[in-house]
Amino acid sequence: EAQVTQNPRYLITVTGKKLTVTCSQNMNHEYMSWYRQDPGLGLRQIYYSMNVEVTDKGDVPEGYKVSRKEKRNFPLILESPSPNQTSLYFCASNPQNQYNEQFFGPGTRLTVL
Amino acid sequence: GQSLEQPSEVTAVEGAIVQINCTYQTSGFYGLSWYQQHDGGAPTFLSYNALDGLEETGRFSSFLSRSDSYGYLLLQELQMKDSASYFCAVTTGGFKTIFGAGTRLFVKA
Repeated sequence: EAQVTQNPRYLITVTGKKLTVTCSQNMNHEYMSWYRQDPGLGLRQIYYSMNVEVTDKGDVPEGYKVSRKEKRNFPLILESPSPNQTSLYFCASNPQNQYNEQFFGPGTRLTVL
Repeated sequence: GQSLEQPSEVTAVEGAIVQINCTYQTSGFYGLSWYQQHDGGAPTFLSYNALDGLEETGRFSSFLSRSDSYGYLLLQELQMKDSASYFCAVTTGGFKTIFGAGTRLFVKA
């Protein structure tokens, strides 16, 4: 089944404890993105990647890191999480075509205490 | 700054037609997308307009006017299952994507 998977789906952690949220897609898509969703703010792009080893900042990159060593994986790293990073996170991928259709993962709900 | 404006809420009755507008102000424009998101779910793609005009996909249509920096999503023959949040999104340079805050659609029987 074609899909984007994220792990973990839920995470409660404490301030300053490094964490990684994994994202993997099995559709051979070139583009991948990370978003955070907060009430009243819609989805805000954190980082995106146009291919292996090519990443760029979205609108809210502060406090996050990403890497794209393989085409299928795009992990999101929070080196020192803070309470303002409590949010719902979505990973998305899309092929390089004219439709710009992004396929979203199921989301990761992160709480930083 | 870059921004997308869409109404926060819309209410309509089953079987009716509803239009959700989106105006945008961005540096760079490749296209306007629409996504649907049910409570507790992930956004799912509905449509994409890169050129002016109307795109139709079943009960859903999307329109774009690049000169007016404006687009809309038209939902026809509304069903209860269409109750959800709808987001417009602009793709700017590269693959940078900016989403609106979303419109919550309530469909009443």
